[in-house]
Amino acid sequence: AQTVTQSQPEMSVQEAETVTLSCTYDTSESDYYLFWYKQPPSRQMILVIRQEAYKQQNATENRFSVNFQKAAKSFSLKISDSQLGDAAMYFCAYRVRGRDDKIIFGKGTRLHILP
Amino acid sequence: EAQVTQNPRYLITVTGKKLTVTCSQNMNHEYMSWYRQDPGLGLRQIYYSMNVEVTDKGDVPEGYKVSRKEKRNFPLILESPSPNQTSLYFCASSLTLQGWEKLFFGSGTQLSVL
Repeated sequence: AQTVTQSQPEMSVQEAETVTLSCTYDTSESDYYLFWYKQPPSRQMILVIRQEAYKQQNATENRFSVNFQKAAKSFSLKISDSQLGDAAMYFCAYRVRGRDDKIIFGKGTRLHILP
Repeated sequence: EAQVTQNPRYLITVTGKKLTVTCSQNMNHEYMSWYRQDPGLGLRQIYYSMNVEVTDKGDVPEGYKVSRKEKRNFPLILESPSPNQTSLYFCASSLTLQGWEKLFFGSGTQLSVL
């Protein structure tokens, strides 16, 4: 079964520091996509970053970057220079390329930013 | 503005009273889906639709119905709600799910069944 595991239910980081959220997944597929979604207190789901499995290069979006280790099936999210607005629930998600039924989400990591 | 409109935002009801949560998208998306979010469980898919008149069960479909009569609308129906359906519900859409298109989410419906 394809699963996504986020082992840290909650994390805290000091403002301006760097934090890494972990995500591992289980799959037998070789071609897939990985995503990180952010859910702030407003409940709105916002795409933070995405990665194609066949690309070796780690994706980067401003202060957000990923460490994608395909062999280890690991997809961690690094947030640099943490800001108060980064406080949110973060969901890691996985989808098989060419499959059109579902995206599988992890259980989420709640990130607190300490001023 | 491209968006997924979901209503209502909050809903309190009683056991057994039929309700409908509406979802509409203005992006001509083919794929639409319903998720429920519960603490410690993340988002779980209830139903999805790949196009008009094409719907299929997700991981937790029991107690729910959906329909896709028009491309833009994908309502979630609870015929006889029970307290274990108290949850935060999200509708989402995407052009397709073939590529790496992102999901567009509605603003969520917090449902309480008493």
